Amino acid sequence: AQSVAQPEDQVNVAEGNPLTVKCTYSVSGNPYLFWYVQYPNRGLQFLLKYITGDNLVKGSYGFEAEFNKSQTSFHLKKPSALVSDSALYFCAVRVRMNFNKFYFGSGTKLNVKP
Amino acid sequence: EAQVTQNPRYLITVTGKKLTVTCSQNMNHEYMSWYRQDPGLGLRQIYYSMNVEATDKGDVPEGYKVSRKEKRNFPLILESPSPNQTSLYFCASTGTGTGGTGELFFGEGSRLTVL
Repeated sequence: AQSVAQPEDQVNVAEGNPLTVKCTYSVSGNPYLFWYVQYPNRGLQFLLKYITGDNLVKGSYGFEAEFNKSQTSFHLKKPSALVSDSALYFCAVRVRMNFNKFYFGSGTKLNVKP
Repeated sequence: EAQVTQNPRYLITVTGKKLTVTCSQNMNHEYMSWYRQDPGLGLRQIYYSMNVEATDKGDVPEGYKVSRKEKRNFPLILESPSPNQTSLYFCASTGTGTGGTGELFFGEGSRLTVL
């Protein structure tokens, strides 16, 4: 069965420290990988995606993600966290050539403390 | 501005009273879908549409209907809402025009409470 796992319900980090939000997937083929962020009472906003090529992709607000094919992981990272980064983060995977089928993780709540 | 617009944003209703949540996108996207978000479960797909008059069930379609009569609109219909449909609903769209990588564009969400 296709699935996306975000093993941590919550990640706590101090402002200025690096952060990592983990994502692993089990999807057949070579999927496209995405990260989305959700602020309170808002829709999901696209952060970044991995399609092909360099395993380290850069996205909005200083976020980046590292794709690891052998570990089927796509962890979200940021070198220096901001309080304003506090939000709910979703990893998503889409099967290539199937625009309808996205698999979402359960979400990770990031808390950045001053 | 490219956007997906959902209405209403908040709704409280009673069991059995039919309701419709509207969704409209201005990006000429072919693909549209509805998701529900529940704590600890992430987003689950309810229905999706590949284009006008082409819809299909997602993972949790029971109790919902959709239609796609125009490319920009994709309403979600709850014919007889029940309390287990209390949730946060998102409409999303994507298209081959986004370089073929098809990231989803989401609406702001509709929080539905069924009493």
